[in-house]
Parts: sequence; C-alpha cells; structure tokens
Amino acid sequence: NAGVMQNPRHLVRRRGQEARLRCSPMKGHSHVYWYRQLPEEGLKFMVYLQKENIIDESGMPKERFSAEFPKEGPSILRIQQVVRGDSAAYFCASSPPVTRDNNEQFFGPGTRLTVL
Amino acid sequence: AQKITQTQPGMFVQEKEAVTLDCTYDTSDPSYGLFWYKQPSSGEMIFLIYQGSYDQQNATEGRYSLNFQKARKSANLVISASQLGDSAMYFCAMREGSRNYGQNFVFGPGTRLSVLP
Repeated sequence: NAGVMQNPRHLVRRRGQEARLRCSPMKGHSHVYWYRQLPEEGLKFMVYLQKENIIDESGMPKERFSAEFPKEGPSILRIQQVVRGDSAAYFCASSPPVTRDNNEQFFGPGTRLTVL
Repeated sequence: AQKITQTQPGMFVQEKEAVTLDCTYDTSDPSYGLFWYKQPSSGEMIFLIYQGSYDQQNATEGRYSLNFQKARKSANLVISASQLGDSAMYFCAMREGSRNYGQNFVFGPGTRLSVLP
C-alpha cells in the first residue's frame, strides 16, 4: 500500500512563474490537507479538502494560492506569480473518512519549492 | 496565543540515555488529540505516538512514551535509550474537537534533538 505521494520533490521557479504541486493520497483516503513549513519552523495549516470540495481554507493566503482535489486525479496546490517568500517545504497529508477524533494524518515526503 | 508550545529549541542527550521533550497546549475543547512527529534531516514527517484527551493511560509505542498531564495541559514525549538515529526535529501537534472531524493539525515550533555518541 503506497503512502502519500507528492511530486515533484524539488521545484525551482523564478519570480513571477507559477508553481504546481501535486499530492496523491493513500489508497482509501478521501481527505487531503496541505501544510507549509518555512525554514526552521513548524508546519502551518493551509487548506483541507475532500473530493471536489474545499472544507477549510482558513490558512490559505488570500491571493495567488489555490487548491483543488478533483474527482479523479491528485490534489493540486497552485501558486501563481511566485515570490521569494513562497520558498518553503509544502507537505500534503491524507486521512481516511474521519469517524473518530484520533485519526492520524499520513504525511507525504514534501515538495521543496525554491524561488529564485 | 500559541496553541502548542515547545519551549526547547534544541536538546542534547547522550546515547543510551532517556530524554524528555516538552509540549504544552492550549484548548477549551474537551475533546482533542495530541500527536508527536519526528522530522529527520531528509525532511519527511514520521508519526510517533498519539494521546487522546479521554485516554486514561499514557500512550506508549516502543521506546516512545507520552507523559500526559491533562490538568497542566502538557504532553511531553519521553524517548528511552536514545539512539544516534533519533537525532531529528520533533514536533508536537494537536487536533481539536469531536464535532469537527477532519480538522487540521496545529503544530508547535519543534525541538531539535541531537544524540551524542
């Protein structure tokens, strides 16, 4: 059973370009979460999605950032017109349909975005 | 106010000794879960241990145990018999709310543990 997959593992973009990060949840998991980790800091929640629905985007910057989790295919985190401050590690996590409050989230290996 | 506080930015421990990593949390929700994750230099997040707010006993997983003191709102991680491979960042995290299944995790700032040979 493959774990959470993220690609690419490393992404380099120049200022003003678009960054597209992909996340395939574990098999059977319908909940996806995106987190951002700045250097030497903890993870900060960005957005929580289920298939075709954004459940909570309270951690998403208001501009340039968007996320989707379509019926088919991976979840996508899109950052338009990237700036140097977007350089960070972006982690995706998934969980099964939540029926109890101790469900663990399984994390992917992360995508390290560097903006030149 | 910080929901998760980890007051030790860095810790050193001698190989084979035990070490305690501190975590305090802040919530008014009676139902919550507490998690510890390890992040080695390779960057992945590795789940270590979970403690539920209603659990009567402290959680244990191999060499990891959680010293849960509910009244003090602390959930310290104890690593026994430290190994060189334990050197990593350690994050405490909390999920709140039995009514809000699927809520995101709130992470602390982390503690960098270095195990000395």
